[in-house]
Amino acid sequence: ETGVTQSPTHLIKTRGQQVTLRCSSQSGHNTVSWYQQALGQGPQFIFQYYREEENGRGNFPPRFSGLQFPNYSSELNVNALELDDSALYLCASSHLGLASFGPGTRLTVL
Amino acid sequence: GQQLNQSPQSMFIQEGEDVSMNCTSSSIFNTWLWYKQEPGEGPVLLIALYKAGELTSNGRLTAQFGITRKDSFLNISASIPSDVGIYFCAGRMDSGTYKYIFGTGTRLKVLA
Repeated sequence: ETGVTQSPTHLIKTRGQQVTLRCSSQSGHNTVSWYQQALGQGPQFIFQYYREEENGRGNFPPRFSGLQFPNYSSELNVNALELDDSALYLCASSHLGLASFGPGTRLTVL
Repeated sequence: GQQLNQSPQSMFIQEGEDVSMNCTSSSIFNTWLWYKQEPGEGPVLLIALYKAGELTSNGRLTAQFGITRKDSFLNISASIPSDVGIYFCAGRMDSGTYKYIFGTGTRLKVLA
């Protein structure tokens, strides 16, 4: 069984740019969630996608958006990057109440 | 953003010692999870709890879902060097989403 994979592993952007992060969910998992983990903190829920639609969102502005594709893979898009967006972005695929996390994408905004 | 209160923040222990950590919330949760995260990796699920009062073990790890549904505890017995890492609790209120509220983390260091 293939686990959750994310790409890229690391990314450096400058303030104001846009970024797209990708996630392939675990086989059989139709729900994908995205979390932001700032240095030294626990993950914070951004949003969740189920059957290609967003069906839950945390306290993040609209410049954080996403997509889920028919194969359940997902993208996180962040527009107008700010310095505080520097963090580890985690994708989690979920089934039967349990979330399995990928290794994350480390985003640095300069 | 909202985070659960987790204690202790960090701890140094000797190999072979038992470890206890806990997590408290002002809100009631219907699911508690415990994760371990190592540097450069995503959190790995250790134990899942679904009912108030539930006590669940996974090898040397034992976790409990508090009776009030506002807290949870994790114990590690006979710690070994590979137990090093950051342990996070996570609670879920809404059964319709996978929105988990995470704790602030407990950083564990084991001295051989």
